[in-house]
Amino acid sequence: GESVGLHLPTLSVQEGDNSIINCAYSNSASDYFIWYKQESGKGPQFIIDIRSNMDKRQGQRVTVLLNKTVKHLSLQIAATQPGDSAVYFCAEMAGANSKLTFGKGITLSVRP
Amino acid sequence: DAGITQSPRYKITETGRQVTLMCHQTWSHSYMFWYRQDLGHGLRLIYYSAAADITDKGEVPDGYVVSRSKTENFPLTLESATRSQTSVYFCASSRQGDYEQYFGPGTRLTVT
Repeated sequence: GESVGLHLPTLSVQEGDNSIINCAYSNSASDYFIWYKQESGKGPQFIIDIRSNMDKRQGQRVTVLLNKTVKHLSLQIAATQPGDSAVYFCAEMAGANSKLTFGKGITLSVRP
Repeated sequence: DAGITQSPRYKITETGRQVTLMCHQTWSHSYMFWYRQDLGHGLRLIYYSAAADITDKGEVPDGYVVSRSKTENFPLTLESATRSQTSVYFCASSRQGDYEQYFGPGTRLTVT
């Protein structure tokens, strides 16, 4: 499959621990933010999103935090599992149906 | 429900040849997008389309041509392939007025 995980920053965590993946965004006009997960050989898969009028949103085992003051986004994964091993991308958008601007991605590696 | 599909999944072509990557979605989404994914760059938008017969350039359009005669199809053509166009190409779609984009499985293109 595609080897896009190579040469990316890597976060290594122990199975069962919590993971925190950070992302800095650039556009103050962005009003929507999304985290994607990409496994080898597959397209990006939606994890969770957040609008700019919120600072926290929770899903199943995942939480996204948004700090507009410092243009920072984070993804927290609770009780990390081997199946969470993948490349994670944050993306920002200014307005519906406008282009997504992606960050470069971070590889999450889960140690058994 | 096939969702969004891309073909071929893998393609090797020679410099100077024309190659077309296909994208097909079954959701009748208005918007469709083409991204390329390269090591160190994340995903970058090539072209997008708001509806049939409406297309617009993204961040890296040079060397690519798109068309959209039908809502469900959005082919991407490299008129004269170059080695710098070796990449993984992803197609995505979204509903009118929506933020979330749904990605296809990707096409790995190698230009020799």
